[in-house]
Parts: sequence; C-alpha cells; structure tokens
Amino acid sequence: NAGVTQTPKFRILKIGQSMTLQCTQDMNHNYMYWYRQDPGMGLKLIYYSVGAGITDKGEVPNGYNVSRSTTEDFPLRLELAAPSQTSVYFCASSARGQGSAGYGYTFGSGTRLTVV
Amino acid sequence: KQEVTQIPAALSVPEGENLVLNCSFTDSAIYNLQWFRQDPGKGLTSLLLIQSSQREQTSGRLNASLDKSSGRSTLYIAASQPGDSATYLCAVPQGGSEKLVFGKGTKLTVNP
Repeated sequence: NAGVTQTPKFRILKIGQSMTLQCTQDMNHNYMYWYRQDPGMGLKLIYYSVGAGITDKGEVPNGYNVSRSTTEDFPLRLELAAPSQTSVYFCASSARGQGSAGYGYTFGSGTRLTVV
Repeated sequence: KQEVTQIPAALSVPEGENLVLNCSFTDSAIYNLQWFRQDPGKGLTSLLLIQSSQREQTSGRLNASLDKSSGRSTLYIAASQPGDSATYLCAVPQGGSEKLVFGKGTKLTVNP
C-alpha cells in the first residue's frame, strides 16, 4: 500500500518556467490537499479537492492551478515560476474532510522546489 | 481567522525525561485537533486525533489533551527517546471548513 506518492522529490526551475507536481493516492480517499511549507513556518493550504471534478482555493492559491479528473490524482500546476514559490510542497489525502468525523490525514513525502 | 501557536519553538532534553509540548488556537469552534510528527526531509505522520467531544487521546508513550474552552492542547511524551527527535505540529480545522490550519511546530531534540 503506497499511500500518497509525490513526484518529483526535488526540482530546480528558472523564473518563468512551468511545471506540474504530481500527486497520487491509492487509498480511495475523497479529499486531497496541497500545502506548502516555508522554512520555520507551518504548512499553508494552497488548494484542496473534495472529490473528482471539485476543487477550491486555500489560503495561498495565487500562482497555482489544480485539477482533479480522477479520485486518485491531484496534480498542482505552476505556470510562471517565481522565486516566492521556492518551498517544500506536500500533498495529503483523507477519507473525509478534517472538519467532519475526524479521519486522519496521510501525507506524501514532499517535493522540494527551488526557483532561481 | 483561526491562528495556531506552538510553544516552545525548540526544546532539547536528555533521554528519559518526560516533556510537554503546547498548542493554542484562537477559534474554539473546532471539530477536532491533530498532532503530527515531521522528520527532517520527510512528510508528516499523524500521531493523535482528538475529537471536540474528547478531552484526551493516548497512543503508547504519547498523550494529547484538548481544552476547547481555553483554546489549548498539550502533547505529553513520556520517557523520551532519541528516536522521538523530530518536529511536532498541531493543526485544527478553519471553522467548519475543510481547511486545516497548522502551527509552526516545536522542534524536539532528545539527547542520548
């Protein structure tokens, strides 16, 4: 059981380049999330999805886009990379939203992105 | 807006010591509270999940308590071991939404 798988683990982008961070889960979870973590800071929610075809913005969505065509996959797209997007990105999933019955989160191991 | 604060930011203790990590939140209208562990360069692992109707949860040497009225939670680690060295984060939902708000974490070092 792989859980939540993120690729790539590391990436260096030049300013203005685009890339997609991949996230796949094999637990049939409805809810999926993208967070970013900056040094010394807590995680901040970028986007989330409550099911295939449904996405919504989190706290820091600017500069990012997402799609959810299947239950398993929730890719995060950076269209025009900026230095401010240098961060560690985590994908997570849960069987139900954390605001409801309280099913726990499963996190991926993260993607470390540097924009130069 | 929900804000989560964790104190202390860093803690260094000798092996075998019992310790307490603190978490406070500004909006007490929460469904639950979670404690996570993060190892360097790794993702987060869920340690304990406390429902709003509960006062505490236990898992092995870990015990987490929740006092909604005062907006506080504590994570108690008994008989600490070097393998407990990690960053511990607490998180609560943003109101009744699906958005999780994290504290900045407490970096724990347990010295052999």
